[in-house]
Amino acid sequence: EAQVTQNPRYLITVTGKKLTVTCSQNMNHEYMSWYRQDPGLGLRQIYYSMNVEVTDKGDVPEGYKVSRKEKRNFPLILESPSPNQTSLYFCASQRTSGPNEQFFGPGTRLTVL
Amino acid sequence: KQEVTQIPAALSVPEGENLVLNCSFTDSAIYNLQWFRQDPGKGLTSLLLIQSSQREQTSGRLNASLDKSSGRSTLYIAASQPGDSATYLCAVRLDNAGNNRKLIWGLGTSLAVNP
Repeated sequence: EAQVTQNPRYLITVTGKKLTVTCSQNMNHEYMSWYRQDPGLGLRQIYYSMNVEVTDKGDVPEGYKVSRKEKRNFPLILESPSPNQTSLYFCASQRTSGPNEQFFGPGTRLTVL
Repeated sequence: KQEVTQIPAALSVPEGENLVLNCSFTDSAIYNLQWFRQDPGKGLTSLLLIQSSQREQTSGRLNASLDKSSGRSTLYIAASQPGDSATYLCAVRLDNAGNNRKLIWGLGTSLAVNP
């Protein structure tokens, strides 16, 4: 089944404790992206990647890092989480040619205390 | 700056009704528009994708239309069912975003279909 997976689905952590949210897609998509969703603000892009070893900032990159060492994986790293990073996070992937539909993972609900 | 607005923010209808959800965007230079469904705890499901050159797309009981010049899209749901209850999100991809396939999102319409 073609899908985007994220882990963990739910995470409660404390300020300053480094964490990684994994994202993996099995559709051989070149493009991957991370969004966060907050009430009243909607979804906003954090980082994106056009292909392996190619990443760039989205609209709200502060406090986040990403890497793209393999085509299928695009982990989101919070080196020192803060309470304002409490949010619902979505990973997305898409082909860069042909059909333009974006596919999304199930989301990761992060709470930083 | 592109802004996407969805009206109404919430909608409650009895089962069987036909309904229309609205999405408007301020910049007509879009590449495409996508409608999603969001269920609690289940992420985002793509419903329909309309390219900027298209006027509408249909999938089952769903029909989405696009009027680029007026900056509007509608999602029509025929014969609504309780299982249609969810939040419906509209998102546009800009025509001039370069390599970034970033989507600009509305805040969604929360739909409740009552048995």
